[in-house]
Amino acid sequence: DAGVIQSPRHEVTEMGQEVTLRCKPISGHNSLFWYRQTMMRGLELLIYFNNNVPIDDSGMPEDRFSAKMPNASFSTLKIQPSEPRDSAVYFCASSSQGKSGNTIYFGEGSWLTVV
Amino acid sequence: GENVEQHPSTLSVQEGDSAVIKCTYSDSASNYFPWYKQELGKRPQLIIDIRSNVGEKKDQRIAVTLNKTAKHFSLHITETQPEDSAVYFCAASIPNTGNQFYFGTGTSLTVIP
Repeated sequence: DAGVIQSPRHEVTEMGQEVTLRCKPISGHNSLFWYRQTMMRGLELLIYFNNNVPIDDSGMPEDRFSAKMPNASFSTLKIQPSEPRDSAVYFCASSSQGKSGNTIYFGEGSWLTVV
Repeated sequence: GENVEQHPSTLSVQEGDSAVIKCTYSDSASNYFPWYKQELGKRPQLIIDIRSNVGEKKDQRIAVTLNKTAKHFSLHITETQPEDSAVYFCAASIPNTGNQFYFGTGTSLTVIP
């Protein structure tokens, strides 16, 4: 299995630009999570989906952030407009409820720098 | 919701010594407790997990213990090696909540050669 696949791995963008992060979960997994990690706040859950449906988006910082999961094999996290304080590592993770012990598997992360 | 607390936030040990990281949780309904290791610049990776019907689990130099009554669980690393240096996260999961996971704030472990 290829694991959770994220793109881009690294992105540097200017303040005000739109950023789109992409994720392909592990095939057969029905839960998908977006996390943000910074030195100051650690690992924060932004949103998670079950069977493509957003279950809890209370961690999404503000309206500039949006996430979609149009099908079981693809999700996006969009930031528009981006700000320097959005600089962080964004991890996508997936899990199969009822299988593999509900373990979450993380992607390699998308390293975002907003200048 | 669930609240997971993790201690200590930083830990330094001499190579060969043991390291212990502790976590507490608040919701007695939590039934699955994984531990993740994150090396610098890499993703968190599962190293061991335990379910609420088990009190202890071992995998070579790593062990996890669970005390359901006290609502705490611990990671034990014996005979530490420099490659054990990383940030370790504990987590708790409550069944029937849509697969929600609650992470601790992490412990930065440094093994001094």
